[in-house]
Amino acid sequence: DTGVSQDPRHKITKRGQNVTFRCDPISEHNRLYWYRQTLGQGPEFLTYFQNEAQLEKSRLLSDRFSAERPKGSFSTLEIQRTEQGDSAMYLCASSLGQGVVDTQYFGPGTRLTVL
Amino acid sequence: AQSVTQLGSHVSVSEGALVLLRCNYSSSVPPYLFWYVQYPNQGLQLLLKYTTGATLVKGINGFEAEFKKSETSFHLTKPSAHMSDAAEYFCAVSPGNQFYFGTGTSLTVIP
Repeated sequence: DTGVSQDPRHKITKRGQNVTFRCDPISEHNRLYWYRQTLGQGPEFLTYFQNEAQLEKSRLLSDRFSAERPKGSFSTLEIQRTEQGDSAMYLCASSLGQGVVDTQYFGPGTRLTVL
Repeated sequence: AQSVTQLGSHVSVSEGALVLLRCNYSSSVPPYLFWYVQYPNQGLQLLLKYTTGATLVKGINGFEAEFKKSETSFHLTKPSAHMSDAAEYFCAVSPGNQFYFGTGTSLTVIP
């Protein structure tokens, strides 16, 4: 068990560019979550997957954001036409998906800086 | 609606002193409550959680928290602070699949 991994750890981009982040969950975890964390704030829920199905999306997830989990394993989060307000830490978490509530295990995050 | 309030964005304690980090929640359903710790440039690590049963929950690194329904609180405590406890602490409430986090409390331990 290597834990949740995220790639890249840091990304600097210019406003208007597209970026894509990858998350590899703990193997056998069915659920995968994306959060955004800005400085001085707690993580804010963006979206989550049960296997390959995207079951819930936050209002924070504008139409410039898209997330996929095509084979129910790794997931990607793409941001199109980045804006300075997108600068944040993007966290991925996974869980077994058993029961109503199960423990979420977080990755180290991808820090995005939009210039 | 679900929300979490963490009183005190910064807490400083002396090494060996009691640590008390406050968390109050609002939940329209029976809450599931969590405390996570975040070290610099790292992801969140679960300290402890309350789902059902015993209201005093013990976690890793000597931390514990008590669920008090009448006070809608889930404060985190540790009897004796260690230098390695310096980090950001987040309380979270979950009605199910989604987590709602507080804004965090930064703990400083003074030698």
